[in-house]
Amino acid sequence: LAKTTQPISMDSYEGQEVNITCSHNNIATNDYITWYQQFPSQGPRFIIQGYKTKVTNEVASLFIPADRKSSTLSLPRVSLSDTAVYYCLVVFYKAAGNKLTFGGGTRVLVKP
Amino acid sequence: DAGITQSPRYKITETGRQVTLMCHQTWSHSYMFWYRQDLGHGLRLIYYSAAADITDKGEVPDGYVVSRSKTENFPLTLESATRSQTSVYFCASRQDNLREQFFGPGTRLTVL
Repeated sequence: LAKTTQPISMDSYEGQEVNITCSHNNIATNDYITWYQQFPSQGPRFIIQGYKTKVTNEVASLFIPADRKSSTLSLPRVSLSDTAVYYCLVVFYKAAGNKLTFGGGTRVLVKP
Repeated sequence: DAGITQSPRYKITETGRQVTLMCHQTWSHSYMFWYRQDLGHGLRLIYYSAAADITDKGEVPDGYVVSRSKTENFPLTLESATRSQTSVYFCASRQDNLREQFFGPGTRLTVL
């Protein structure tokens, strides 16, 4: 059964790097991993998406090891405004239709 | 206005009543999704649609009905609302299988 797991919460301080790992067993060869950020009373917002190795954009990096059983979102030099819940989303491609599976979310608290 | 909108933003109803939540997107995205997010929890997929007149079940479809007669609209109907359907409902759209989902602002539904 496709399942996505991530830590419930983590604390950090301004200026530090935050790394959030998502475990996704049974991910198929052609599945992508996507990360979203959500603030209270808002819909999730796209951060980054990747398939393998490393992807970097202006706000984050995504590391995916060769076995692809996990992925790590890296937020460099966080600020107070990065306090939010972060979700990983895996699309499991199946013959009967794609299966979207969100992780339970990781609540990140950035302290001054 | 361009983007993805949901209406109503807040709704209070009673057990047994029928409720329809509306979702409208102006990008002509092929895919549209409905999620529910229970207090303090992650997102769970209810239904999704790959194109007009094509819909499929997600993780928690029981008690919900969807339709997609037009590409831009994807209404979600609770045929006989129950207290367990009290939640925040998010609609999202996506252009194709690989790109980010854009989420609406959410509808907070309370079933008394």
